[in-house]
Amino acid sequence: GAVVSQHPSRVICKSGTSVKIECRSLDFQATTMFWYRQFPKQSLMLMATSNEGSKATYEQGVEKDKFLINHASLTLSTLTVTSAHPEDSSFYICSVPGGYTFGSGTRLTVV
Amino acid sequence: EDKVVQSPLSLVVHEGDTVTLNCSYEVTNFRSLLWYKQEKKAPTFLFMLTSSGIEKKSGRLSSILDKKELSSILNITATQTGDSAIYLCAVDPYNAGNNRKLIWGLGTSLAVNP
Repeated sequence: GAVVSQHPSRVICKSGTSVKIECRSLDFQATTMFWYRQFPKQSLMLMATSNEGSKATYEQGVEKDKFLINHASLTLSTLTVTSAHPEDSSFYICSVPGGYTFGSGTRLTVV
Repeated sequence: EDKVVQSPLSLVVHEGDTVTLNCSYEVTNFRSLLWYKQEKKAPTFLFMLTSSGIEKKSGRLSSILDKKELSSILNITATQTGDSAIYLCAVDPYNAGNNRKLIWGLGTSLAVNP
């Protein structure tokens, strides 16, 4: 079945730095990737939808300048958390349409 | 506004008990309903349901959809401590552009005590 590889699985960074999270589709071409954020004891919250070769579509309330999404190829989508702050600490997950396949998630801690 | 509601929000049982988790939805243009198990990582797909009355089964887990009642249940029989997790329900609707954005419930946190 389809596999999405997400890296890193865990990252700790200092306030003010930027963190890039990568999701790669290993055995298929992903023209669309969903990016979610999940806070402890809460459900998944869709942040944005990345589309290969075009601008990402952000959900209401998500700062597009803070959460930069790039989908430059059919196998790679990236989420960059810019100027991270402690409130950005969360679990970030990517997935492809259909609901079957998720990346393994990235636990971001900003100190 | 489309929404998915899960109940209960949390549940504590003893090993060997049977549990029933509920998921109800109000979604325009329903396509399918999906169940997931989430431990300390990304969700793991359990079932996809599209038709009413057809039970999906995997080991001690089973699920069924009732499109008339706009709901689904997930049953776990003879629970084990390894079943402790958050169980998420999501609905996949038809939507403009067919970008397949899921609508998520808040999840049910299940704790199985030995």
